[in-house]
Amino acid sequence: QSALTQPRSVSGSPGQSVTISCSGTNSDIGAYNLVSWYQQHPGKAPKLLIYDVIMRPSGVPDRFSGSKSGNTASLTISGLQAEDEADFYCCSYAGLYTWVFGGGTKLTVL
Amino acid sequence: QVQLVQSGAEVRRPGASVKLSCEASGYSRNFNVIHWVRQAPGQRLEWMGWINVGNGNIQYSQNFRGRLTFTWDTPASTAHMELSGLTSEDSTVYYCAAEWDYYFGLWGRGTLVTVSS
Repeated sequence: QSALTQPRSVSGSPGQSVTISCSGTNSDIGAYNLVSWYQQHPGKAPKLLIYDVIMRPSGVPDRFSGSKSGNTASLTISGLQAEDEADFYCCSYAGLYTWVFGGGTKLTVL
Repeated sequence: QVQLVQSGAEVRRPGASVKLSCEASGYSRNFNVIHWVRQAPGQRLEWMGWINVGNGNIQYSQNFRGRLTFTWDTPASTAHMELSGLTSEDSTVYYCAAEWDYYFGLWGRGTLVTVSS
């Protein structure tokens, strides 16, 4: 099972919006609306940001939003803040009770 | 509020095995499945498999078939992960994570395993 494909890095200035893509196949992202996104600050455990493609857990700001089209999911962060700087990972259910993560994207807030 | 408390860092020789623990502490457990995910320094998250702590069902990632064993200690509310035949490539941080309907809603802080001769 190959990792989902994410850009290695993205950047944006405070207040701007950035979008992180996550490309999979018709066996994972394309087959299920079960994409989740995680934020990971250095030395910390991942934290759930988005689940079921578009859903936000309580406590996650509405600046974070998710979407999906075909085999590609996206995470958009609007109104960038300095504390958003972190690594972001997508994850998809891949059938037969298996999961696959993306390669991770480093977000730099300029 | 449930937390996942992982055991401390481990150092092993190549070829050895390591057994890590993940205790679900707190008032009530609101999940049935614990997954294990690992992350080499500066690298991506890698899904390893899961154990259903309610019915004992287990699934391992094909990448670890034959080397990986998950168990659940019900009285201690603790999941264990044992990885055998260690190589330097197994020197990573290992996380346990609770699954809530196909996503990982709760994570442990991770355990660093170092494999070195």
